[in-house]
Amino acid sequence: DAGVIQSPRHEVTEMGQEVTLRCKPISGHDYLFWYRQTMMRGLELLIYFNNNVPIDDSGMPEDRFSAKMPNASFSTLKIQPSEPRDSAVYFCASSLGTTRDTQYFGPGTRLTVL
Amino acid sequence: DQQVKQNSPSLSVQEGRISILNCDYTNSMFDYFLWYKKYPAEGPTFLISISSIKDKNEDGRFTVFLNKSAKHLSLHIVPSQPGDSAVYFCAARSNTGKLIFGQGTTLQVKP
Repeated sequence: DAGVIQSPRHEVTEMGQEVTLRCKPISGHDYLFWYRQTMMRGLELLIYFNNNVPIDDSGMPEDRFSAKMPNASFSTLKIQPSEPRDSAVYFCASSLGTTRDTQYFGPGTRLTVL
Repeated sequence: DQQVKQNSPSLSVQEGRISILNCDYTNSMFDYFLWYKKYPAEGPTFLISISSIKDKNEDGRFTVFLNKSAKHLSLHIVPSQPGDSAVYFCAARSNTGKLIFGQGTTLQVKP
């Protein structure tokens, strides 16, 4: 199994630009999670989906952030407009049947907003 | 407000010695605790976990201890190896199933 796939691995953009991060979960996993890692706050859950439906987006920091899951094998996290404080590593993770199953993380996307 | 805290950003130990990583939490309703390990340029991977009804769980060189009254857990690695050098995240599971992570502790094991 290829594991969770994320793209791009690195993204450098200028303030005000739109950024789209992509994720392909492990096949057969029903749950998909988006996390953000910063030095100060560690790993923060932004949003998670169950069977392509957003369940909890309480961690999404602002309206500038949006996430979609159009099908079971693809999800996007979009930031529009981006700001320097959005610079972080963004991880996607998936789990099998419940939120209590082990979460498997992708390699992350390092975002730098200048 | 940080519900899960790892107060030591970094730890350095000699190969063969014990590594002890600490984690504190604030919510007594957390029912399950996990440790994840992260190498550079990779995503976190699950390492070991413990249910709130236990006070110890062991898996090879890794042991997690839970002190519910103190709302504290720790990860012991014995003996430490250079390949253990990584960032270790403590996480707690809420009653909704969400994982709440700490800030992480960077462990360096020196040969």
